[in-house]
Amino acid sequence: DTGVSQDPRHKITKRGQNVTFRCDPISEHNRLYWYRQTLGQGPEFLTYFQNEAQLEKSRLLSDRFSAERPKGSFSTLEIQRTEQGDSAMYLCASSPSAVSYEQYFGPGTRLTVT
Amino acid sequence: DQQVKQNSPSLSVQEGRISILNCDYTNSMFDYFLWYKKYPAEGPTFLISISSIKDKNEDGRFTVFLNKSAKHLSLHIVPSQPGDSAVYFCAASGRNYGQNFVFGPGTRLSVLP
Repeated sequence: DTGVSQDPRHKITKRGQNVTFRCDPISEHNRLYWYRQTLGQGPEFLTYFQNEAQLEKSRLLSDRFSAERPKGSFSTLEIQRTEQGDSAMYLCASSPSAVSYEQYFGPGTRLTVT
Repeated sequence: DQQVKQNSPSLSVQEGRISILNCDYTNSMFDYFLWYKKYPAEGPTFLISISSIKDKNEDGRFTVFLNKSAKHLSLHIVPSQPGDSAVYFCAASGRNYGQNFVFGPGTRLSVLP
């Protein structure tokens, strides 16, 4: 197993454009999480999925953000009409079960909005 | 308002000595705590955890101590090695807190040879 992968690793976009990131969790992990991390801060929770169901969303997740996990495997995070304040590292993590708090993180996608 | 605080942005320790990283939390609903280590250009890696029913958990060179009354936990690394140089994040969650894991801002540890 190669661990959690994220694509792309880096994305530069102009303000107002839409971007989509992909996360492939560790196979058989049924929980998937999205976080955002800015410089000097720890990861901030955005949302999480149990299989294909999105069970929790942070207040940080504005209407411009949407996440999907259509078949309970990979997930996508889309940001519409990007703003400069969206510039951050977007991290994905997966977890094997409801009884495990341990999360396995991917390397992240660094978004720069110009 | 930060619910999980790591008040030392950085820490330098000599190789072979003990590293002590501290974490404070404010939310009494938290009952599970984790430490993650992060190298540059990589995602955080799980290191060790502790439940609120315990006050100590040990895994090799890493020991986490929890003081519930003070809402304080610490990570001890003994002996410290140069490969331990990384950013360490404290995180908290709880059964009644959903899946919203709250991370501290991190402490950068440098272990000097």
